[in-house]
Amino acid sequence: DIQMTQSPSSLSASVGDRVTITCRASQSISSYLNWYQQKPGKAPKLLIYAASSLQSGVPSRFSGSGSGTDFTLTISSLQPEDFATYYCQQSYSTPPTFGQGTRLEIK
Amino acid sequence: EVQLVESGGGLVQPGRSLRLSCAASGFTFDDYAMHWVRQAPGKGLEWVSGISWNSGSIGYADSVKGRFTISRDNAKNSLYLQMNSLRAEDTALYYCAKGLRQWFGEMGDWFDPWGQGTLVTVSS
Repeated sequence: DIQMTQSPSSLSASVGDRVTITCRASQSISSYLNWYQQKPGKAPKLLIYAASSLQSGVPSRFSGSGSGTDFTLTISSLQPEDFATYYCQQSYSTPPTFGQGTRLEIK
Repeated sequence: EVQLVESGGGLVQPGRSLRLSCAASGFTFDDYAMHWVRQAPGKGLEWVSGISWNSGSIGYADSVKGRFTISRDNAKNSLYLQMNSLRAEDTALYYCAKGLRQWFGEMGDWFDPWGQGTLVTVSS
């Protein structure tokens, strides 16, 4: 199975900050990488698919980049509603696997 | 509006069985693969099982293989997860999620949207 490792596991930031979360795959997954946002008590929500494509309705302050084994999710200017847990997920091979999550907290 | 509504969760003793259901609406159900993803309390996401549009391709996580069975009824727009020989480590919120592709296992799939989840607690 492909292992997905996110860093950091948790992050404190302020409204307006630029934030970057990293996801690393244990082998090359081309651009088959998706990002999800999960708020407390809610189901995950797809933010970015295929490494860099923004899901419809997702604010443009979210962006994704990377290919191969290293990927990033960037939030250009944090808003209060962005404080949540973020997960990466590879769709290169079965079983699909998730990173352990990055919890983004208010500083 | 695409909607997925899970049901069937509850408290069950170790070794017993439970059947989860997911009712889908707002899209052509038999055009898409469907998945179950779970989340243990306070933990991350774990894919459990997936099934293609016509049930022709199915997959399971190693942690549930041989104990869980996924199925679907396209006439009823419903997805199911039969869970047998339940263990304490199966305790989790179980989400139903729609895939992008028709076939389970295709590259470039993702989970969107997700239902609200149904809680399964395995305890004596």
